[in-house]
Amino acid sequence: TQLLEQSPQFLSIQEGENLTVYCNSSSVFSSLQWYRQEPGEGPVLLVTVVTGGEVKKLKRLTFQFGDARKDSSLHITAAQPGDTGLYLCAGDAGGTSYGKLTFGQGTILTVHP
Amino acid sequence: NAGVTQTPKFQVLKTGQSMTLQCAQDMNHEYMSWYRQDPGMGLRLIHYSVGAGITDQGEVPNGYNVSRSTTEDFPLRLLSAAPSQTSVYFCASSYSRTGKRGYTFGSGTRLTVV
Repeated sequence: TQLLEQSPQFLSIQEGENLTVYCNSSSVFSSLQWYRQEPGEGPVLLVTVVTGGEVKKLKRLTFQFGDARKDSSLHITAAQPGDTGLYLCAGDAGGTSYGKLTFGQGTILTVHP
Repeated sequence: NAGVTQTPKFQVLKTGQSMTLQCAQDMNHEYMSWYRQDPGMGLRLIHYSVGAGITDQGEVPNGYNVSRSTTEDFPLRLLSAAPSQTSVYFCASSYSRTGKRGYTFGSGTRLTVV
């Protein structure tokens, strides 16, 4: 069974601060996805990274996939209250396990005005 | 609007009752799956399907059945509800099993078993 360790579990910061969320595993993933979830709703895809070392930017959000494809990070610059939510990373092992997403436990981010 | 539709949004069951959680998508997605979300445990895969007529078990399949008779629908059946099945259930779909385009999730069914 593959595991994804996501940290920190909780993050409470002031508007304008920067933050990083980490997703680590001892297993290799063919791709890794980041989702954001609002209360009462399903997760919404932010980005998919598939190549080791890949960096993707989405406005103030920067996503990185580790060179060995075992870890990933999400960095938010100048956080805003609208960034508040649950952030989830999910890895797809690929091969015969394609489609079996393994999720991290999630990071609850609160950005105070 | 195109997407994944789950019904009902809320349900309370008594222990031992059975029910079906409905999931429908109108995006012609090949791949569909069911997850349950519990506090502090992220989402765990229950069952998934790579196309009509094909289903397989995920990480936590016990107590649940699925079938995929059409591309659009992927219902989840609870055979005999137990309090341990109290959870929020999400259905997800993707264009292909590789998932490199990511998954679209429904808004969830919050189930309480008493």
